[in-house]
Amino acid sequence: GENVEQHPSTLSVQEGDSAVIKCTYSDSASNYFPWYKQELGKRPQLIIDIRSNVGEKKDQRIAVTLNKTAKHFSLHITETQPEDSAVYFCAASKKGGSEKLVFGKGTKLTVNP
Amino acid sequence: NAGVTQTPKFQVLKTGQSMTLQCAQDMNHEYMSWYRQDPGMGLRLIHYSVGAGITDQGEVPNGYNVSRSTTEDFPLRLLSAAPSQTSVYFCASSSPRYPEAFFGQGTRLTVV
Repeated sequence: GENVEQHPSTLSVQEGDSAVIKCTYSDSASNYFPWYKQELGKRPQLIIDIRSNVGEKKDQRIAVTLNKTAKHFSLHITETQPEDSAVYFCAASKKGGSEKLVFGKGTKLTVNP
Repeated sequence: NAGVTQTPKFQVLKTGQSMTLQCAQDMNHEYMSWYRQDPGMGLRLIHYSVGAGITDQGEVPNGYNVSRSTTEDFPLRLLSAAPSQTSVYFCASSSPRYPEAFFGQGTRLTVV
């Protein structure tokens, strides 16, 4: 089955710096790649997603890039703010939707003021 | 809209007891899924459903049963609770038209 590896497990940056989280997936049939943010004690919430027919997608300070050949995708957060501190999860699906997501193990991002 | 509602929020069970975690959504989503979240393990899929009357196993289905008799509800049953089932359980719903998964607030289950 699909396997998603996520790195790093923890990331600490200074406010205003950029943060990059990387994921690799094993199943070349995967075609949908969402990123979720989970604040402490809260539910995961989608922050950005990308489909396999797109190489890059941006939404204000957040961007995701996808390299299908290498089977990896990355989350980029620019101009980080303390409220960006959370655990971020990448996921993959080969059904084009979210009924059967395979998640990475998460990255705890800390943004220091 | 309430979105995805899970009950209870907290539960303590004794080993061997059974219980049902409830999940309801009011967004008319076709897809519903159950995940468990353990420290350092991310979210792992237990069971999922693509419509009423249709369910399938995920990555970690052992010890859990599901059924989907209506579009709105997707209960998760623990048949005989074990300490290894201590976890936070999340229910999620989504649609094939808009793939964003909406999560419930979670149920923190402790089995002693």
